[in-house]
Amino acid sequence: DVKVTQSSRYLVKRTGEKVFLECVQDMDHENMFWYRQDPGLGLRLIYFSYDVKMKEKGDIPEGYSVSREKKERFSLILESASTNQTSMYLCASLGLARDTQYFGPGTRLTVL
Amino acid sequence: RKEVEQDPGPFNVPEGATVAFNCTYSNSASQSFFWYRQDCRKEPKLLMSVYSSGNEDGRFTAQLNRASQYISLLIRDSKLSDSATYLCVVRGGGNKLTFGTGTQLKVEL
Repeated sequence: DVKVTQSSRYLVKRTGEKVFLECVQDMDHENMFWYRQDPGLGLRLIYFSYDVKMKEKGDIPEGYSVSREKKERFSLILESASTNQTSMYLCASLGLARDTQYFGPGTRLTVL
Repeated sequence: RKEVEQDPGPFNVPEGATVAFNCTYSNSASQSFFWYRQDCRKEPKLLMSVYSSGNEDGRFTAQLNRASQYISLLIRDSKLSDSATYLCVVRGGGNKLTFGTGTQLKVEL
């Protein structure tokens, strides 16, 4: 079974703090994704990566950056957290077969 | 217009009922289609892929109408455990998926 893990289930940060969200997958998948999920807006793609050190902007990249130094790990960085970044953050990975995205359990981030 | 549109519901149905969800997509070049299920406070998980010829998995039937850019999910003999949010998902070119906002289903005794 594919396993995607995220570093924290719940996180509380203050406005202006730098926040790191970590995601690790154990299936040697090339593609990894970061989404945020908000009521009424669904899942929105922030960034994705199709290979180590490669990244592409999704639909809402503003205020975020990412890092993919190793194939199994994809990090989302909030350089200066703001209250409108309070959300559920979901990481996903996808193999070459491209048939299923596997999601991590999510990190519920609250920015005060 | 949203790329993927779904009726948010909630759909409240009695156990044993048949319920259908619909979804429309705007990109006619979309290549793959899926239904994901998301339980409350959990991550989305693939329920089933949707093929042009239609496909069935137990009590679940998915249909695709490319001409009308329309996808459906039919659940027969609803169970309490079917209560969840059902996400319509479309893949255009590449590996990027676009998610609908989901349709909430509540199955009641």
